[in-house]
This record gives sequence, C-alpha cells and structure tokens, in this order.
Amino acid sequence: GAGVSQSPRYKVAKRGQDVALRCDPISGHVSLFWYQQALGQGPEFLTYFQNEAQLDKSGLPSDRFFAERPEGSVSTLKIQRTQQEDSAVYLCASSFPGLAGGRGNEQFFGPGTRLTVL
Amino acid sequence: GQNIDQPTEMTATEGAIVQINCTYQTSGFNGLFWYQQHAGEAPTFLSYNVLDGLEEKGRFSSFLSRSKGYSYLLLKELQMKDSASYLCAVRVAGANNLFFGTGTRLTVIP
Repeated sequence: GAGVSQSPRYKVAKRGQDVALRCDPISGHVSLFWYQQALGQGPEFLTYFQNEAQLDKSGLPSDRFFAERPEGSVSTLKIQRTQQEDSAVYLCASSFPGLAGGRGNEQFFGPGTRLTVL
Repeated sequence: GQNIDQPTEMTATEGAIVQINCTYQTSGFNGLFWYQQHAGEAPTFLSYNVLDGLEEKGRFSSFLSRSKGYSYLLLKELQMKDSASYLCAVRVAGANNLFFGTGTRLTVIP
C-alpha cells in the first residue's frame, strides 16, 4: 500500500447515530490531517496530528467531533450524534516534514469517506 | 480568516491552453499549492510555489506573485483527462494545514 487509505469509502448514517472513520497514512509519515469537503467546495481543515500528539484541533466544528491517533500511525475521526449538516467527504492527508525536493512537504491525500446523514 | 478565491468553473477546448487564477489574502504566507481532483477521487499534488516566479513541469506551470497575493496554474495542450477540479491551497506562517479555495471545475471539450 503506497498511498493513504481510508475506510469505509461510503457511510450512510441515520441522524443521531455515531460514526467512526479510519485513516491509514503512508508508512513513516509523521504528520496527519483531517479535512472536510462539502459538495462543490474545497477541503476545510479539521485537525492535525504530529505522531500521536493532536497539535491543532481548531477546525473541529463542534464537540461532537473527536479524532485520535494513539500509536502515531492509524487515525480515527469519530462523529457523535450525527446531523444532516455533517454530510460531506472526509479526507485524510499525511506528510513527512522536512522531506527535500522542492515540493513543500506536500500532503498526500486519501480517497476520502463520503458520509451521508439521513 | 483566510481568503482564497478562484473561479468556480471554466471550459476549454482540447489542445488549447487554459489559465486558472487564484488570489489570496492570508495572515502570513508559507507556500502555495495546486492540486488536481477528479470527481470522487483524492486530490493529487501538481505544484508548489514559495518564491515569486514560474515553475514549469511538463504541460503544467504555476506562477506566484507574493506582493500581489496572486497565482495561476497554466495547462498546455489540454487533454480530455484534464477535466477535473483544480484546487489552490495556501499554507500560512505558523500553521501546518492548508487553506483551500473552492476549487475550479475545468471541463475540456472536443
């Protein structure tokens, strides 16, 4: 697996249900990001991890959103009591700070999880 | 807040050249990225600019003017497979995440 993988690819939830979205970053990547992408919009930042430490969670829209990365690799984004406005594609990205090559520590994105809340 | 603007939609003809503009007003600047995103797929890296000037990479080029808060992505010899959304993203000083524009949906027609 050379790239970032996410599961499930599609999730349908009834309003009020809890969901858990998984991200497997590229092996060895220190930084991990979660973004939310609404239909027809660009991704919006949710939270950032460096190894297992959550250094920035300023983008999480409410306390219903929670993310963890306990061992510094796989990450889970959990949404409690889902609402219809949570319907979006949730993208995970990883990067390796300090990687040379003029690509600015680019972020590698996974294919996303499309969440639909009914 | 951070403000990144790009046109919502563009249409161009196969074989032609298209320029997608991006303007930004951000609190500090630490690099600008262009990503390509096909429908239902992951954004993929196209280019990175941190200094003023033009970066060329095959059919794709990206330009940056920091004083004007302006960038463009130039696509030459358009192919049908170039139909996609093109995302402009800025990394601001002191932050690790990217701030994205809404994306420009490019349609290439025969």
